[in-house]
Amino acid sequence: AQKITQTQPGMFVQEKEAVTLDCTYDTSDPSYGLFWYKQPSSGEMIFLIYQGSYDQQNATEGRYSLNFQKARKSANLVISASQLGDSAMYFCAMRRGSGSARQLTFGSGTQLTVLP
Amino acid sequence: GAVVSQHPSRVICKSGTSVKIECRSLDFQATTMFWYRQFPKKSLMLMATSNEGSKATYEQGVEKDKFLINHASLTLSTLTVTSAHPEDSSFYICSARPGLATDTQYFGPGTRLTVL
Repeated sequence: AQKITQTQPGMFVQEKEAVTLDCTYDTSDPSYGLFWYKQPSSGEMIFLIYQGSYDQQNATEGRYSLNFQKARKSANLVISASQLGDSAMYFCAMRRGSGSARQLTFGSGTQLTVLP
Repeated sequence: GAVVSQHPSRVICKSGTSVKIECRSLDFQATTMFWYRQFPKKSLMLMATSNEGSKATYEQGVEKDKFLINHASLTLSTLTVTSAHPEDSSFYICSARPGLATDTQYFGPGTRLTVL
Protein backbone atom coordinates (compact mmCIF):
# COMPACT_ATOMS: atom_id res chain seq x y z
CA ALA A 1 0.00 0.00 0.00
CA GLN A 2 1.16 3.50 -0.74
CA LYS A 3 1.39 6.05 2.01
CA ILE A 4 2.36 9.70 2.32
CA THR A 5 3.34 11.13 5.70
CA GLN A 6 3.70 14.76 6.71
CA THR A 7 4.75 14.91 10.35
CA GLN A 8 4.60 18.69 10.83
CA PRO A 9 1.02 19.88 11.41
CA GLY A 10 2.24 23.46 11.68
CA MET A 11 5.41 25.40 10.94
CA PHE A 12 6.47 28.99 11.50
CA VAL A 13 9.15 30.86 9.59
CA GLN A 14 10.41 34.40 9.64
CA GLU A 15 9.90 36.42 6.47
CA LYS A 16 12.87 36.17 4.05
CA GLU A 17 14.18 33.00 5.67
CA ALA A 18 14.13 29.52 4.15
CA VAL A 19 11.90 26.74 5.43
CA THR A 20 11.76 22.98 4.85
CA LEU A 21 8.50 21.06 4.90
CA ASP A 22 8.92 17.35 5.46
CA CYS A 23 7.35 14.55 3.45
CA THR A 24 8.08 10.84 3.54
CA TYR A 25 6.47 8.19 1.42
CA ASP A 26 6.18 4.46 1.16
CA THR A 27 5.64 2.56 -2.06
CA SER A 28 6.69 -0.70 -3.67
CA ASP A 29 6.35 0.67 -7.20
CA PRO A 30 9.65 1.37 -8.97
CA SER A 31 8.04 4.21 -10.90
CA TYR A 32 6.23 6.96 -9.03
CA GLY A 33 5.81 10.70 -8.94
CA LEU A 34 5.82 13.14 -6.05
CA PHE A 35 4.03 16.47 -5.93
CA TRP A 36 3.66 19.48 -3.70
CA TYR A 37 0.53 21.62 -3.70
CA LYS A 38 -0.23 24.85 -1.85
CA GLN A 39 -3.70 25.59 -0.51
CA PRO A 40 -4.27 29.18 0.68
CA SER A 41 -7.22 30.02 2.89
CA SER A 42 -9.30 30.62 -0.26
CA GLY A 43 -9.28 26.85 -0.81
CA GLU A 44 -7.80 26.53 -4.27
CA MET A 45 -5.06 23.93 -4.73
CA ILE A 46 -2.02 25.35 -6.49
CA PHE A 47 0.49 22.99 -8.10
CA LEU A 48 4.03 23.88 -7.03
CA ILE A 49 6.51 21.24 -8.07
CA TYR A 50 6.89 17.66 -9.35
CA GLN A 51 9.61 15.04 -8.96
CA GLY A 52 9.70 11.80 -10.90
CA SER A 53 11.25 8.75 -9.27
CA TYR A 54 13.76 8.37 -12.09
CA ASP A 55 14.73 12.03 -12.22
CA GLN A 56 18.44 12.38 -11.55
CA GLN A 57 18.28 15.95 -10.32
CA ASN A 58 16.14 17.56 -7.67
CA ALA A 59 13.26 19.56 -9.11
CA THR A 60 13.30 23.34 -8.78
CA GLU A 61 10.66 25.95 -9.61
CA GLY A 62 11.61 29.49 -8.69
CA ARG A 63 11.79 29.72 -4.90
CA TYR A 64 10.62 26.12 -4.52
CA SER A 65 12.93 23.15 -4.60
CA LEU A 66 12.32 19.52 -3.80
CA ASN A 67 14.97 17.74 -1.75
CA PHE A 68 14.50 14.22 -3.10
CA GLN A 69 16.29 11.49 -1.14
CA LYS A 70 15.22 8.25 -2.75
CA ALA A 71 16.95 5.90 -0.33
CA ARG A 72 15.32 7.63 2.62
CA LYS A 73 12.00 7.86 0.77
CA SER A 74 11.72 11.53 1.48
CA ALA A 75 10.66 14.44 -0.71
CA ASN A 76 10.95 17.58 1.35
CA LEU A 77 9.88 20.95 0.00
CA VAL A 78 12.27 23.84 0.50
CA ILE A 79 10.93 27.37 0.18
CA SER A 80 13.65 29.99 -0.01
CA ALA A 81 13.23 33.65 0.94
CA SER A 82 9.79 33.16 2.50
CA GLN A 83 7.14 35.76 1.79
CA LEU A 84 3.98 36.61 3.72
CA GLY A 85 1.97 35.24 0.82
CA ASP A 86 3.52 31.83 1.37
CA SER A 87 1.35 31.37 4.45
CA ALA A 88 -0.91 28.47 3.51
CA MET A 89 -1.50 24.75 3.87
CA TYR A 90 0.99 22.62 1.95
CA PHE A 91 0.22 19.10 0.79
CA CYS A 92 2.64 16.46 -0.41
CA ALA A 93 1.15 13.92 -2.81
CA MET A 94 2.22 10.75 -4.60
CA ARG A 95 0.93 9.21 -7.76
CA ARG A 96 -0.54 5.73 -7.39
CA GLY A 97 -1.95 3.33 -9.94
CA SER A 98 -1.15 3.10 -13.63
CA GLY A 99 -2.55 4.07 -16.99
CA SER A 100 -5.82 5.94 -16.94
CA ALA A 101 -6.38 4.87 -13.33
CA ARG A 102 -3.46 6.94 -12.04
CA GLN A 103 -4.48 8.94 -8.97
CA LEU A 104 -2.89 11.08 -6.30
CA THR A 105 -2.67 10.20 -2.63
CA PHE A 106 -2.29 13.23 -0.38
CA GLY A 107 -0.55 13.66 2.94
CA SER A 108 -2.23 15.28 5.92
CA GLY A 109 -0.72 18.67 5.19
CA THR A 110 1.45 21.24 6.94
CA GLN A 111 0.12 24.68 7.86
CA LEU A 112 2.90 27.20 7.20
CA THR A 113 2.78 30.62 8.79
CA VAL A 114 5.24 33.28 7.66
CA LEU A 115 5.91 35.88 10.34
CA PRO A 116 6.67 39.52 9.48
CA GLY B 1 -2.43 27.69 -18.89
CA ALA B 2 -4.06 24.68 -17.21
CA VAL B 3 -6.97 26.56 -15.68
CA VAL B 4 -9.88 24.72 -14.11
CA SER B 5 -13.07 26.46 -13.10
CA GLN B 6 -15.72 25.26 -10.73
CA HIS B 7 -19.25 26.52 -10.31
CA PRO B 8 -20.82 27.46 -8.00
CA SER B 9 -18.20 28.52 -5.48
CA ARG B 10 -20.70 28.42 -2.64
CA VAL B 11 -24.13 26.87 -2.35
CA ILE B 12 -26.60 26.64 0.49
CA CYS B 13 -29.51 24.28 0.10
CA LYS B 14 -32.26 22.67 2.12
CA SER B 15 -32.07 19.10 3.25
CA GLY B 16 -33.55 16.74 0.65
CA THR B 17 -32.73 18.82 -2.39
CA SER B 18 -30.14 18.01 -5.06
CA VAL B 19 -27.17 20.17 -5.94
CA LYS B 20 -25.11 20.10 -9.12
CA ILE B 21 -21.48 21.25 -9.21
CA GLU B 22 -19.73 21.88 -12.52
CA CYS B 23 -16.03 21.47 -13.21
CA ARG B 24 -14.56 22.81 -16.45
CA SER B 25 -11.08 22.73 -17.90
CA LEU B 26 -10.82 26.09 -19.66
CA ASP B 27 -7.71 25.84 -21.79
CA PHE B 28 -7.05 22.14 -22.16
CA GLN B 29 -8.88 18.89 -22.75
CA ALA B 30 -9.12 16.58 -19.78
CA THR B 31 -9.62 12.91 -20.44
CA THR B 32 -9.71 12.34 -16.70
CA MET B 33 -11.23 14.44 -13.96
CA PHE B 34 -11.30 13.78 -10.24
CA TRP B 35 -13.66 14.75 -7.46
CA TYR B 36 -12.42 15.26 -3.91
CA ARG B 37 -14.02 16.10 -0.62
CA GLN B 38 -12.22 18.03 2.09
CA PHE B 39 -13.24 18.52 5.70
CA PRO B 40 -11.96 21.54 7.66
CA LYS B 41 -8.22 21.37 8.30
CA LYS B 42 -8.07 17.91 6.79
CA SER B 43 -6.54 16.43 3.68
CA LEU B 44 -8.27 15.79 0.38
CA MET B 45 -10.25 12.59 0.12
CA LEU B 46 -10.70 11.20 -3.37
CA MET B 47 -14.33 10.42 -4.08
CA ALA B 48 -14.22 9.28 -7.68
CA THR B 49 -12.30 9.26 -10.92
CA SER B 50 -14.17 10.32 -14.01
CA ASN B 51 -13.11 9.42 -17.53
CA GLU B 52 -14.75 11.12 -20.49
CA GLY B 53 -17.46 9.01 -22.04
CA SER B 54 -17.41 6.25 -19.44
CA LYS B 55 -18.78 5.59 -15.98
CA ALA B 56 -16.97 7.07 -13.02
CA THR B 57 -14.92 4.88 -10.72
CA TYR B 58 -15.88 5.48 -7.11
CA GLU B 59 -13.63 5.03 -4.10
CA GLN B 60 -14.60 2.57 -1.43
CA GLY B 61 -17.27 3.93 0.86
CA VAL B 62 -18.53 6.58 -1.55
CA GLU B 63 -22.18 6.10 -2.48
CA LYS B 64 -22.47 6.25 -6.25
CA ASP B 65 -26.23 6.77 -6.11
CA LYS B 66 -25.80 9.76 -3.87
CA PHE B 67 -22.89 11.38 -5.66
CA LEU B 68 -23.69 11.22 -9.36
CA ILE B 69 -20.82 12.04 -11.67
CA ASN B 70 -21.10 12.77 -15.35
CA HIS B 71 -18.18 13.47 -17.68
CA ALA B 72 -19.95 14.21 -20.91
CA SER B 73 -17.17 16.07 -22.69
CA LEU B 74 -13.43 16.56 -22.55
CA THR B 75 -13.86 19.85 -20.74
CA LEU B 76 -16.80 19.29 -18.40
CA SER B 77 -17.55 17.02 -15.48
CA THR B 78 -20.45 17.42 -13.08
CA LEU B 79 -21.05 16.17 -9.56
CA THR B 80 -24.65 16.00 -8.36
CA VAL B 81 -25.26 15.52 -4.67
CA THR B 82 -28.70 13.93 -4.55
CA SER B 83 -31.08 14.29 -1.61
CA ALA B 84 -28.50 16.27 0.30
CA HIS B 85 -28.33 16.05 4.09
CA PRO B 86 -26.42 18.17 6.60
CA GLU B 87 -23.67 15.56 6.80
CA ASP B 88 -22.96 16.19 3.10
CA SER B 89 -21.88 19.73 3.96
CA SER B 90 -18.27 19.99 2.93
CA PHE B 91 -15.75 21.52 0.54
CA TYR B 92 -15.81 19.74 -2.81
CA ILE B 93 -12.87 20.17 -5.19
CA CYS B 94 -12.44 18.89 -8.70
CA SER B 95 -9.25 18.43 -10.63
CA ALA B 96 -8.39 17.66 -14.23
CA ARG B 97 -5.49 15.86 -15.81
CA PRO B 98 -4.54 16.94 -19.34
CA GLY B 99 -3.93 13.53 -20.86
CA LEU B 100 -2.08 10.35 -20.00
CA ALA B 101 1.38 11.83 -20.54
CA THR B 102 1.31 13.64 -17.21
CA ASP B 103 0.43 12.83 -13.63
CA THR B 104 -0.10 16.46 -12.70
CA GLN B 105 -3.64 17.39 -11.74
CA TYR B 106 -4.88 20.97 -11.95
CA PHE B 107 -7.50 21.90 -9.42
CA GLY B 108 -10.60 24.01 -9.51
CA PRO B 109 -11.21 26.61 -6.79
CA GLY B 110 -13.63 24.37 -4.92
CA THR B 111 -17.30 24.53 -3.94
CA ARG B 112 -18.42 24.99 -0.38
CA LEU B 113 -21.71 23.17 0.15
CA THR B 114 -23.85 23.87 3.17
CA VAL B 115 -26.96 21.78 3.68
CA LEU B 116 -29.45 23.19 6.17
